[in-house]
Amino acid sequence: EVQLVQSGAEVKKPGESLKISCKGSGYSFTSYWIGWVRQMPGKGLEWMGIIYPGDSDTRYSPSFQGQVTISADKSISTAYLQWSSLKASDTAMYYCVRWASPGIDYWGQGTLVTVSS
Amino acid sequence: DIQMTQSPSSLSASVGDRVTITCQASQDISNYLNWYQQKPGKAPKLLIYDASNLETGVPSRFSGSGSGTDFTFTISSLQPEDIATYYCQQYDNLPPKRLTFGGGTKVEIK
Repeated sequence: EVQLVQSGAEVKKPGESLKISCKGSGYSFTSYWIGWVRQMPGKGLEWMGIIYPGDSDTRYSPSFQGQVTISADKSISTAYLQWSSLKASDTAMYYCVRWASPGIDYWGQGTLVTVSS
Repeated sequence: DIQMTQSPSSLSASVGDRVTITCQASQDISNYLNWYQQKPGKAPKLLIYDASNLETGVPSRFSGSGSGTDFTFTISSLQPEDIATYYCQQYDNLPPKRLTFGGGTKVEIK
């Protein structure tokens, strides 16, 4: 069974760093793109970027380029999303997803990130 | 960057009604357009891929059409379990580089 299991909810202060994770199982982790989607409270879905764990080829949405870093460790089938300096506006639910062209076929359960002083 | 304009942003309809949602791309995206359903508190689910193909297991009351810049998503007979927010998403082909979501349409029962 394919699963994407994300790390737990985080509460952080502005300026702090954070790295959340997404562990894939039940399939060949290196053969599918893994993406990240942001959903701010009460708002719609926003595409952040995507990585191919097989060779770490990474592409960012222009809106998120330079704001976050996407990475993956294929040895442990885990993708990451990280911030170096959080802002209150980063408060959101973050989903990791498996891209299996032509669509997203699996979603993680989501990681809620709350940034508040 | 390609922009996806989805309308309406919300709608209210009765059980059994036909519901239509539109999505317009800012440039030609061929048929690289998907539709997702997100129920409250849940992750989204793929319903329609490549504009008009029904994902396995999805009820046939859901359908999609269109190509180029104009796309339509239809629920032929609205059911109570269809209460959700629906999103269109465009993608460029392999390797994926830009995958843009529409703003969403919240569907409620009248």
